[in-house]
Amino acid sequence: SQTIHQWPATLVQPVGSPLSLECTVEGTSNPNLYWYRQAAGRGLQLLFYSVGIGQISSEVPQNLSASRPQDRQFILSSKKLLLSDSGFYLCAWSVRKVRSGNTIYFGEGSWLTVV
Amino acid sequence: GQQLNQSPQSMFIQEGEDVSMNCTSSSIFNTWLWYKQDPGEGPVLLIALYKAGELTSNGRLTAQFGITRKDSFLNISASIPSDVGIYFCAGQLDDYKLSFGAGTTVTVRA
Repeated sequence: SQTIHQWPATLVQPVGSPLSLECTVEGTSNPNLYWYRQAAGRGLQLLFYSVGIGQISSEVPQNLSASRPQDRQFILSSKKLLLSDSGFYLCAWSVRKVRSGNTIYFGEGSWLTVV
Repeated sequence: GQQLNQSPQSMFIQEGEDVSMNCTSSSIFNTWLWYKQDPGEGPVLLIALYKAGELTSNGRLTAQFGITRKDSFLNISASIPSDVGIYFCAGQLDDYKLSFGAGTTVTVRA
């Protein structure tokens, strides 16, 4: 069966410091990969998605970047964190399909607090 | 993505009650998904709907894909304390992305 893991689970970082959140998927190949952010008490905002190695689409202008160095690895990064980057970050994956019906499955989430 | 209107925003329910929540959109979708999120965890998929008019159950949960393709509802029958959490609807058209509702926070009175 497929599993998705992301780490670290909790992170407290000072303003201006770098960020690296990692996500890996097991049990599938060629998945679509996603990074979402959820502000406290809010819905989910899509930040990045990837349909293949090195292919990254950004949904919103921001202080963050994403990379996909391997088929099942997705990394969320920042060179200099802002206070507004605080939130709950979720990695997700779906099966690659041509048409719709891409059920998305989420990881456990990573809490980032920028102080 | 398209804006989804999810209601109610929150609800207090009595244990044993049946409850309902829904999502509407100004645009059509080809897929509707319902997720539940417990505090500090990632959302977990409850039900996936792929066809207009489809009615699908998962235990005490039932969801329907509206015939107009612009809405969906989720019913929970005989609520129990572990139903507490935030429920999200999500719609998908023809690309890889989902549009999410803002969530319905469910609190059960024992």
